[in-house]
Amino acid sequence: DGGITQSPKYLFRKEGQNVTLSCEQNLNHDAMYWYRQDPGQGLRLIYYSQIVNDFQKGDIAEGYSVSREKKESFPLTVTSAQKNPTAFYLCASSSTSGHYGYTFGSGTRLTVV
Amino acid sequence: AQSVSQHNHHVILSEAASLELGCNYSYGGTVNLFWYVQYPGQHLQLLLKYFSGDPLVKGIKGFEAEFIKSKFSFNLRKPSVQWSDTAEYFCAVNSRSNDYKLSFGAGTTVTVRA
Repeated sequence: DGGITQSPKYLFRKEGQNVTLSCEQNLNHDAMYWYRQDPGQGLRLIYYSQIVNDFQKGDIAEGYSVSREKKESFPLTVTSAQKNPTAFYLCASSSTSGHYGYTFGSGTRLTVV
Repeated sequence: AQSVSQHNHHVILSEAASLELGCNYSYGGTVNLFWYVQYPGQHLQLLLKYFSGDPLVKGIKGFEAEFIKSKFSFNLRKPSVQWSDTAEYFCAVNSRSNDYKLSFGAGTTVTVRA
């Protein structure tokens, strides 16, 4: 079945450590996105990529980094510079036309301890 | 910049009651509009979408939404809810001029009591 796989489902990190969240899709979508979901704030865009080897900052990119070396993969690194990293992170993909909305992964819940 | 407002943070209703969730967006150009649902413990799923044509859109599970361009609104409705409709609902908008990035509202939690 086609879809988006995010791993791990739960992740614990010590303060001061970087951590990388995985996102893989087999939908042959060109565009991929990372969102952060916090209670009462909806989803906020962190980074997005419309093509391999290119990506753009979203609304809350500070403290995060991404890479897009393969069409299928769009990993997100939460760096130690992110002041409030505890959140639910969602990866999504879409065709570049955008009419059809996004397909979302099941998310990674990151907790800083 | 485009933005989305959802009027209700939390809605509680009984089974068989009617549901209407408000959504307004701020953007003057041509937009695509979406409603997503997130059931407890599950990933976001697309309920319905509008990008052209009939402003009354029917989606899955008996939901529908009406696009009113003059009011910049895209309200979600369901005539008779079930306990299984308990979930969080998100309105979202994108546009070609904004690289089709989806902007989401804050979400509305719907609790249906049996």
